[in-house]
Amino acid sequence: DIQMTQSPSSLSATVGDRVTITCRASQSISKYLSWYQQKPGKAPKLLISTTSTLQSGVPSRFSGSGSGTEFTLTINSLQPEDFATYYCQQSYNTRFTFGLGTKVDFK
Amino acid sequence: QVQLQESGPGLVKPSETLSLTCNVSGGSISSYQWSWLRQAPGQGLEWIGFVYFSGSTNYNPSLKSRLTISLDKSKNQFSLKLSSVTAADTAIYFCAGYQMLCGCFDPWGQGTLVTVSP
Repeated sequence: DIQMTQSPSSLSATVGDRVTITCRASQSISKYLSWYQQKPGKAPKLLISTTSTLQSGVPSRFSGSGSGTEFTLTINSLQPEDFATYYCQQSYNTRFTFGLGTKVDFK
Repeated sequence: QVQLQESGPGLVKPSETLSLTCNVSGGSISSYQWSWLRQAPGQGLEWIGFVYFSGSTNYNPSLKSRLTISLDKSKNQFSLKLSSVTAADTAIYFCAGYQMLCGCFDPWGQGTLVTVSP
């Protein structure tokens, strides 16, 4: 299976900060990387697909980049509603795997 | 807008079969690969498997020997059966639509907690 490694596992930030989360794949996955946001007690919400395609309704402060084995999710000007856990997911093959998550909490 | 809702027992005994159903509403059941994922308490997400509109399936190899996912087009539902469960199968189970075009899971059901305990 393709292993997805997220870093950091957690970070503390304040409103207005720029936050960057990294996801590394154990082999090249081309552009087949999605990002999800999950809040406690809720289902994951799709934010970005195919590395950088922002889903409808997702604020433009979220962006994704990368290719091959290294990818980033950036949140510009963190807002109170952005405190959550973020997961990456590869779809290079149909043995889909997720990162272990990055929890963004209040500093 | 497609909406998903999981249903099924919240408590299953060890060695028995976990059975869940996901009801699909508000859209075409032919538009997605219908998927199950799970999240153990405080842990990350694990893909379980999905069923195509044709009825063929794709399973996580780690669960394949215990797993059946099926689609009931007449009822707009798909189901999960996981046999010989242990405490390690305790998790929140989510149903979701997999979109091949983006390689992504969207929409999702709200999730249902299944506890394996005597």
